[in-house]
Amino acid sequence: QKEVEQDPGPLSVPEGAIVSLNCTYSNSAFQYFMWYRQYSRKGPELLMYTYSSGNKEDGRFTAQVDKSSKYISLFIRDSQPSDSATYLCAMSNYGQNFVFGPGTRLSVLP
Amino acid sequence: DTEVTQTPKHLVMGMTNKKSLKCEQHMGHRAMYWYKQKAKKPPELMFVYSYEKLSINESVPSRFSPECPNSSLLNLHLHALQPEDSALYLCASSQDPTRSRYNEQFFGPGTRLTVL
Repeated sequence: QKEVEQDPGPLSVPEGAIVSLNCTYSNSAFQYFMWYRQYSRKGPELLMYTYSSGNKEDGRFTAQVDKSSKYISLFIRDSQPSDSATYLCAMSNYGQNFVFGPGTRLSVLP
Repeated sequence: DTEVTQTPKHLVMGMTNKKSLKCEQHMGHRAMYWYKQKAKKPPELMFVYSYEKLSINESVPSRFSPECPNSSLLNLHLHALQPEDSALYLCASSQDPTRSRYNEQFFGPGTRLTVL
């Protein structure tokens, strides 16, 4: 079993749709959870950063962490064509062992 | 300044060449990282520098040689590379490697390396 698994995609949605991106993990020591967005041929850009279980909202983006299920999600409301990118979840424990998920490629169609 | 910058943006080199990739950040971050990313794959960690000292080397071949001259700069020296080393090389930094609260990493745009 991989340490971090992510819905493989690719995912295509119409503009304005709600998008749900998900990751599961096996290491219960992970405490910090991040979502990165990566446009083609660019470096990853940090979108959301959460600590432990709960929800965090930033504009159209909501990050959700359920540590009991070892499951994290990123929701994108009112999706836009500019949201088309690869989304990478990442997680770490106390600065050690920073791990990326494999990524989900999202296309938002106008 | 909240950016991580990398030069060059693109690099083409032969297998006998020696070249260097450069990374710079002025956010006061004390941890810096090199990653390698192949197409449609997540970044793979290569090296971590913590307070200018190499703290993690993920069994990277010796043809890749990192250097951290000061807290703002990170270099990756390349020598005798193979075509399979062609990839996007990403630099990242984070605030304080000893304090768990500040370990989110900020990435540069990458150097796209092609080895002929």
